[in-house]
Amino acid sequence: AQSVTQPDIHITVSEGASLELRCNYSYGATPYLFWYVQSPGQGLQLLLKYFSGDTLVQGIKGFEAEFKRSQSSFNLRKPSVHWSDAAEYFCAVGLMDSSYKLIFGSGTRLLVRP
Amino acid sequence: GAVVSQHPSRVICKSGTSVKIECRSLDFQATTMFWYRQFPKKSLMLMATSNEGSKATYEQGVEKDKFLINHASLTLSTLTVTSAHPEDSSFYICSARDPAGGFETQYFGPGTRLLVL
Repeated sequence: AQSVTQPDIHITVSEGASLELRCNYSYGATPYLFWYVQSPGQGLQLLLKYFSGDTLVQGIKGFEAEFKRSQSSFNLRKPSVHWSDAAEYFCAVGLMDSSYKLIFGSGTRLLVRP
Repeated sequence: GAVVSQHPSRVICKSGTSVKIECRSLDFQATTMFWYRQFPKKSLMLMATSNEGSKATYEQGVEKDKFLINHASLTLSTLTVTSAHPEDSSFYICSARDPAGGFETQYFGPGTRLLVL
């Protein structure tokens, strides 16, 4: 069965420091992979996606993620975190049928120290 | 990006009553909407897929008689929690997919927090 694991419940980084949020997936084929950010009072916003091709994908707000098939991972990175990046981050797998269903990980809450 | 709204943003109700949550796509017509439930410190769990003009498709383990979904128009889907109990208290999120695109055109509402006393 498809699943997504985000091993870190919370991560705290200092403003200006680099960030890496971990995501591992279980899927029978090359998956469609996504990272979303959830801020209070706002809907989940798509940061970036991977479907195929270049395994390093760029997203909005300076985020990037790298697909590593050998590790079944799709970690999210940002070289310099801003205080406004504090939020909940979700990794997701998209089912490769016609349903467009998303399977989400449990999320990682990012706290940013001033 | 496209906007999806939910109403109400939060609701408190008594045990045994029914609560309706609305999900609207404001600037596109959504043939498909999804309803999720989010528990504290847990992922979003897909409850059902709502297709305009047809019955919703429920995920395994979701009681369709308890969580009634209606997708009567291309811009509105409703989730009714019938005979609500305290264990139904949760954060409910909808998303709407713009059929003009793929996964990336699935837009999420801000969520509705339900508290059943």
